[in-house]
Amino acid sequence: SQKIEQNSEALNIQEGKTATLTCNYTNYSPAYLQWYRQDPGRGPVFLLLIRENEKEKRKERLKVTFDTTLKQSLFHITASQPADSATYLCALDHSGGGADGLTFGKGTHLIIQP
Amino acid sequence: GAGVSQSPSNKVTEKGKDVELRCDPISGHTALYWYRQSLGQGLEFLIYFQGNSAPDKSGLPSDRFSAERTGGSVSTLTIQRTQQEDSAVYLCASSLEVGDEKLFFGSGTQLSVL
Repeated sequence: SQKIEQNSEALNIQEGKTATLTCNYTNYSPAYLQWYRQDPGRGPVFLLLIRENEKEKRKERLKVTFDTTLKQSLFHITASQPADSATYLCALDHSGGGADGLTFGKGTHLIIQP
Repeated sequence: GAGVSQSPSNKVTEKGKDVELRCDPISGHTALYWYRQSLGQGLEFLIYFQGNSAPDKSGLPSDRFSAERTGGSVSTLTIQRTQQEDSAVYLCASSLEVGDEKLFFGSGTQLSVL
């Protein structure tokens, strides 16, 4: 069956360091992968999208990699700040762009400690 | 409006009662999505609309769930004869059109069934 795995344990990182979050998937051939940020009591907010033919995508302090051979995406936050503390969700499209093809992982809770 | 608006933000109801959850998408967004997020779980896709049409209702958990959208704008998710297992955060998202990958989420309705 199709599965998306994100580290369910909270990730504690010291301020200023690089935080790296992992998203692994099985039995998918996604056209693209997205990362969202979710704060308590709020809906997810879109951060980055990377397509299957892209290896890396950057936006300010954020970097996403996508390895379709390993079936893995890594999400990096450089020079992390306490304000980066949140839950980060990865989402895969597995239906070639169809609306019902966006499946979310359970998310990883990131804590940046001052 | 400026963002996706959901109401109410919180709803407490008794088992067996019917509830209506409302979503007002971003103006001009033709695609609208409903997701459910239970504690510690990922987002569960429920249904999407392209305009007023919902092509696939198979994601709805049971026949107690229904959704409609009128005028290509506001959508209502109705849960009849609520059960305790319906307790969750119900999130609505919109996008410019189906297949536009970036979703904009509302803050959700926290439903508690006693």
